[in-house]
Amino acid sequence: NAGVTQTPKFQVLKTGQSMTLQCAQDMNHEYMSWYRQDPGMGLRLIHYSVGAGITDQGEVPNGYNVSRSTTEDFPLRLLSAAPSQTSVYFCASRRLGPERVHTEAFFGQGTRLTVV
Amino acid sequence: KNEVEQSPQNLTAQEGEFITINCSYSVGISALHWLQQHPGGGIVSLFMLSSGKKKHGRLIATINIQEKHSSLHITASHPRDSAVYICAVRSNTGNQFYFGTGTSLTVIP
Repeated sequence: NAGVTQTPKFQVLKTGQSMTLQCAQDMNHEYMSWYRQDPGMGLRLIHYSVGAGITDQGEVPNGYNVSRSTTEDFPLRLLSAAPSQTSVYFCASRRLGPERVHTEAFFGQGTRLTVV
Repeated sequence: KNEVEQSPQNLTAQEGEFITINCSYSVGISALHWLQQHPGGGIVSLFMLSSGKKKHGRLIATINIQEKHSSLHITASHPRDSAVYICAVRSNTGNQFYFGTGTSLTVIP
C-alpha cells in the first residue's frame, strides 16, 4: 500500500532546463492534483485532474504542463524552468465521491526543486 | 487576503501542555481538513470534517460552520507532535481547496 508516490525527492535545475515530476497513486483515485508550497503562503493549486484524459488549470498554472493518460499517473512538466519555480511541490489524490460526499486527501512526500 | 487564516503562526509548548490551533475561513465550504506536515516534508491528513467534532487519540478537531471557524486541539502534547499543522477547506462551489499558511508547533521536552 504505497499510497501516493512522488519522485524525485530533490532536484536542482538550471534556468531553461526542462524536467518532469512524477506522481503515481495505487488507490484508483479519480482526482489528482499538484500544489506548490512557498514560504509564507499556503499550498497553491497548479493543475488538477478528475480522471484519465481530463485536466484543468488551478490557481498558478503558468509554466507547468500536465497530462493524465492513466488513472494512476499524473506527471507535472516544467518546460523551461525559471528561478520563480523554486518551491516544494506536492502531489495529492482522493476519490471523487457523489456530489456532496467528501473524501480524504492523500499527499505525496514532496519534491524540493531549486532552479538556479 | 487569504481565504483561510490560521493562528498562531508559531507555537512553542512544554511537553504535556494542551495546545489549540485555530482556523478561520471566509468562503463557503463543504469540508475542512487538518493536515500535518512533518519536519521531513511529508503531509498527512489528520481529519476531514464538515460539522461537529472528531477525535483521534490525543487529537481533537472541531468546526463551527456558522462562525466559519475550526480548532485543532492536542492534549498531553509530546515532542513527536512537533510539526506544521495546516488547515485546508474545500469550496462548496467546486473541487477547489484553499490552504492556510500553517502553524509551526514545537513541543519541548
